[in-house]
Amino acid sequence: EVQLVESGGALVQPGGSLRLSCTASGFTFTAYAVTWVRQAPGKGLEWVSVISSSGGHTQYADSVRGRFTISRDNSRNTVYLHMNSLTAEDTAVYYCAKGMWGAYVDYWGQGTLVTVSS
Amino acid sequence: IVLTQSPATLSVSPGETATLSCRASQILNNNLAWYQQKPGQAPRLLIYGASTRATGIPARFSGSESGTELTLTISSLRSEDFAVYYCHQYDKWPLTFGGGTKVEIK
Repeated sequence: EVQLVESGGALVQPGGSLRLSCTASGFTFTAYAVTWVRQAPGKGLEWVSVISSSGGHTQYADSVRGRFTISRDNSRNTVYLHMNSLTAEDTAVYYCAKGMWGAYVDYWGQGTLVTVSS
Repeated sequence: IVLTQSPATLSVSPGETATLSCRASQILNNNLAWYQQKPGQAPRLLIYGASTRATGIPARFSGSESGTELTLTISSLRSEDFAVYYCHQYDKWPLTFGGGTKVEIK
Protein backbone atom coordinates (compact mmCIF):
# COMPACT_ATOMS: atom_id res chain seq x y z
CA GLU A 1 0.00 0.00 0.00
CA VAL A 2 1.32 3.41 -0.98
CA GLN A 3 1.82 5.66 2.03
CA LEU A 4 3.14 9.18 2.37
CA VAL A 5 3.40 10.59 5.88
CA GLU A 6 4.13 14.24 6.50
CA SER A 7 5.57 15.52 9.76
CA GLY A 8 7.18 18.60 11.23
CA GLY A 9 4.25 20.99 11.16
CA ALA A 10 4.16 23.40 14.09
CA LEU A 11 3.35 26.88 15.34
CA VAL A 12 6.20 29.21 14.36
CA GLN A 13 6.71 32.94 14.71
CA PRO A 14 6.85 35.26 11.68
CA GLY A 15 10.36 35.30 10.27
CA GLY A 16 11.06 31.86 11.63
CA SER A 17 12.07 28.61 9.97
CA LEU A 18 10.73 25.08 9.86
CA ARG A 19 11.57 21.80 8.19
CA LEU A 20 8.85 19.46 7.00
CA SER A 21 9.43 15.78 6.25
CA CYS A 22 7.59 13.38 3.96
CA THR A 23 8.37 9.71 4.51
CA ALA A 24 7.21 7.24 1.88
CA SER A 25 6.55 3.51 1.76
CA GLY A 26 4.79 0.96 -0.40
CA PHE A 27 6.39 1.94 -3.72
CA THR A 28 9.80 2.32 -5.33
CA PHE A 29 10.69 5.70 -3.89
CA THR A 30 13.68 6.29 -6.16
CA ALA A 31 11.47 6.06 -9.26
CA TYR A 32 9.21 9.00 -8.42
CA ALA A 33 9.27 12.73 -8.05
CA VAL A 34 7.72 14.17 -4.91
CA THR A 35 5.64 17.34 -4.78
CA TRP A 36 4.56 19.64 -1.96
CA VAL A 37 1.12 21.27 -2.21
CA ARG A 38 -0.36 23.51 0.47
CA GLN A 39 -3.85 24.59 1.43
CA ALA A 40 -4.52 27.64 3.56
CA PRO A 41 -7.47 27.32 5.96
CA GLY A 42 -10.73 27.35 4.00
CA LYS A 43 -8.90 27.98 0.71
CA GLY A 44 -7.91 26.05 -2.39
CA LEU A 45 -4.83 24.05 -3.31
CA GLU A 46 -1.54 25.77 -4.10
CA TRP A 47 1.33 23.95 -5.78
CA VAL A 48 4.57 24.70 -3.88
CA SER A 49 7.55 22.67 -5.08
CA VAL A 50 8.72 19.42 -6.66
CA ILE A 51 11.92 17.38 -6.65
CA SER A 52 12.89 14.79 -9.23
CA SER A 53 13.49 11.14 -8.40
CA SER A 54 17.26 11.58 -8.21
CA GLY A 55 17.06 14.95 -6.48
CA GLY A 56 18.92 16.59 -9.34
CA HIS A 57 16.03 18.78 -10.48
CA THR A 58 13.74 21.06 -8.50
CA GLN A 59 11.02 23.61 -9.24
CA TYR A 60 9.30 26.19 -7.01
CA ALA A 61 6.23 28.40 -7.01
CA ASP A 62 7.02 32.09 -7.30
CA SER A 63 5.51 32.66 -3.85
CA VAL A 64 8.18 30.52 -2.12
CA ARG A 65 11.20 30.69 -4.42
CA GLY A 66 14.24 31.89 -2.50
CA ARG A 67 12.67 31.08 0.89
CA PHE A 68 11.87 27.36 0.59
CA THR A 69 14.27 24.56 -0.37
CA ILE A 70 13.22 21.03 -1.27
CA SER A 71 15.60 18.10 -0.86
CA ARG A 72 15.46 14.32 -0.56
CA ASP A 73 17.35 11.46 1.07
CA ASN A 74 16.69 8.36 -0.98
CA SER A 75 18.38 6.18 1.65
CA ARG A 76 15.65 7.21 4.09
CA ASN A 77 12.74 7.35 1.59
CA THR A 78 12.21 10.93 2.75
CA VAL A 79 11.71 14.32 1.14
CA TYR A 80 12.21 17.54 3.09
CA LEU A 81 10.86 21.05 2.70
CA HIS A 82 13.03 23.65 4.40
CA MET A 83 11.05 26.84 4.96
CA ASN A 84 12.65 30.16 5.91
CA SER A 85 11.41 33.72 6.44
CA LEU A 86 7.92 32.47 7.16
CA THR A 87 4.97 34.84 7.08
CA ALA A 88 1.30 34.51 7.99
CA GLU A 89 0.59 33.80 4.31
CA ASP A 90 2.49 30.51 4.66
CA THR A 91 -0.04 29.21 7.19
CA ALA A 92 -1.53 26.10 5.63
CA VAL A 93 -1.80 22.34 5.64
CA TYR A 94 1.17 21.06 3.66
CA TYR A 95 0.66 17.88 1.65
CA CYS A 96 3.29 15.78 -0.06
CA ALA A 97 2.37 13.67 -3.06
CA LYS A 98 4.11 11.35 -5.51
CA GLY A 99 4.14 11.41 -9.28
CA MET A 100 6.36 11.53 -12.31
CA TRP A 101 8.52 14.57 -13.03
CA GLY A 102 6.52 17.21 -14.85
CA ALA A 103 3.26 15.31 -14.48
CA TYR A 104 0.27 14.94 -12.20
CA VAL A 105 0.50 13.45 -8.71
CA ASP A 106 -1.43 10.29 -7.97
CA TYR A 107 -1.13 9.64 -4.23
CA TRP A 108 -1.19 12.17 -1.41
CA GLY A 109 -0.32 12.12 2.26
CA GLN A 110 -2.73 13.37 4.91
CA GLY A 111 -0.91 16.66 5.45
CA THR A 112 0.79 18.52 8.29
CA LEU A 113 -0.34 21.91 9.63
CA VAL A 114 2.01 24.89 9.68
CA THR A 115 0.81 27.95 11.56
CA VAL A 116 2.78 31.18 11.39
CA SER A 117 1.71 33.51 14.16
CA SER A 118 3.13 35.56 16.99
CA ILE B 1 -0.80 29.36 -16.49
CA VAL B 2 -3.99 30.57 -14.78
CA LEU B 3 -6.85 28.11 -14.35
CA THR B 4 -10.30 29.60 -13.74
CA GLN B 5 -12.93 27.20 -12.46
CA SER B 6 -16.65 27.85 -12.70
CA PRO B 7 -19.03 27.94 -11.09
CA ALA B 8 -17.58 28.35 -7.61
CA THR B 9 -20.53 26.39 -6.22
CA LEU B 10 -22.81 24.01 -8.06
CA SER B 11 -26.07 22.82 -6.47
CA VAL B 12 -27.20 19.51 -7.90
CA SER B 13 -29.76 16.88 -6.90
CA PRO B 14 -28.66 13.25 -6.49
CA GLY B 15 -29.06 11.37 -9.75
CA GLU B 16 -28.52 14.46 -11.88
CA THR B 17 -25.48 15.44 -13.92
CA ALA B 18 -22.91 18.01 -12.84
CA THR B 19 -20.79 19.84 -15.38
CA LEU B 20 -17.70 21.61 -14.04
CA SER B 21 -15.62 23.99 -16.12
CA CYS B 22 -11.92 24.85 -15.99
CA ARG B 23 -10.69 27.56 -18.35
CA ALA B 24 -6.94 27.79 -18.95
CA SER B 25 -5.03 30.91 -19.97
CA GLN B 26 -3.09 28.81 -22.50
CA ILE B 27 -3.51 25.55 -24.41
CA LEU B 28 -2.60 22.65 -22.09
CA ASN B 29 -1.94 19.87 -24.62
CA ASN B 30 -4.09 17.49 -22.53
CA ASN B 31 -1.78 18.01 -19.52
CA LEU B 32 -4.59 18.48 -17.05
CA ALA B 33 -5.80 16.50 -14.06
CA TRP B 34 -8.89 16.66 -11.88
CA TYR B 35 -8.95 15.98 -8.13
CA GLN B 36 -11.76 15.48 -5.64
CA GLN B 37 -11.42 16.64 -2.06
CA LYS B 38 -13.78 15.96 0.82
CA PRO B 39 -13.68 17.85 4.13
CA GLY B 40 -10.72 16.86 6.30
CA GLN B 41 -9.27 14.61 3.61
CA ALA B 42 -6.42 14.79 1.14
CA PRO B 43 -7.29 15.25 -2.53
CA ARG B 44 -7.89 12.17 -4.66
CA LEU B 45 -6.90 11.86 -8.31
CA LEU B 46 -9.88 11.37 -10.64
CA ILE B 47 -8.71 12.19 -14.16
CA TYR B 48 -5.34 12.76 -15.84
CA GLY B 49 -4.41 13.52 -19.43
CA ALA B 50 -7.64 15.59 -19.52
CA SER B 51 -9.82 12.49 -20.06
CA THR B 52 -8.24 9.32 -18.63
CA ARG B 53 -9.81 7.99 -15.45
CA ALA B 54 -7.43 7.06 -12.66
CA THR B 55 -7.43 3.56 -11.23
CA GLY B 56 -10.67 2.72 -9.45
CA ILE B 57 -12.57 5.82 -10.57
CA PRO B 58 -16.13 5.03 -11.70
CA ALA B 59 -17.20 5.60 -15.29
CA ARG B 60 -19.69 8.29 -14.22
CA PHE B 61 -16.68 10.62 -14.04
CA SER B 62 -15.51 11.86 -17.42
CA GLY B 63 -13.21 14.61 -18.64
CA SER B 64 -12.84 16.45 -21.91
CA GLU B 65 -10.78 19.22 -23.47
CA SER B 66 -11.66 21.70 -26.20
CA GLY B 67 -8.98 24.30 -26.75
CA THR B 68 -8.54 26.09 -23.45
CA GLU B 69 -11.82 24.79 -22.01
CA LEU B 70 -11.60 21.71 -19.84
CA THR B 71 -14.69 19.99 -18.49
CA LEU B 72 -15.36 17.43 -15.78
CA THR B 73 -18.74 15.75 -16.03
CA ILE B 74 -20.20 13.70 -13.22
CA SER B 75 -23.30 11.80 -14.27
CA SER B 76 -25.89 10.23 -11.98
CA LEU B 77 -24.53 12.02 -8.93
CA ARG B 78 -24.29 9.94 -5.78
CA SER B 79 -24.10 11.13 -2.20
CA GLU B 80 -20.36 10.40 -2.04
CA ASP B 81 -19.71 12.73 -5.00
CA PHE B 82 -20.58 15.91 -3.10
CA ALA B 83 -17.17 17.49 -2.58
CA VAL B 84 -14.81 20.14 -3.93
CA TYR B 85 -13.19 19.52 -7.31
CA TYR B 86 -9.92 21.04 -8.53
CA CYS B 87 -8.33 21.14 -11.95
CA HIS B 88 -4.52 21.09 -12.14
CA GLN B 89 -2.25 21.82 -15.10
CA TYR B 90 1.14 20.20 -15.52
CA ASP B 91 1.94 21.55 -18.95
CA LYS B 92 4.25 24.37 -17.89
CA TRP B 93 6.20 25.41 -14.80
CA PRO B 94 5.19 26.52 -12.30
CA LEU B 95 2.38 24.00 -12.07
CA THR B 96 -0.93 25.45 -10.94
CA PHE B 97 -4.35 24.55 -9.59
CA GLY B 98 -7.71 26.10 -10.27
CA GLY B 99 -9.64 27.70 -7.44
CA GLY B 100 -12.06 24.79 -7.08
CA THR B 101 -15.76 24.08 -7.57
CA LYS B 102 -17.86 22.92 -4.67
CA VAL B 103 -20.59 20.48 -5.65
CA GLU B 104 -23.33 20.60 -3.04
CA ILE B 105 -26.63 18.87 -2.55
CA LYS B 106 -29.60 20.83 -3.92
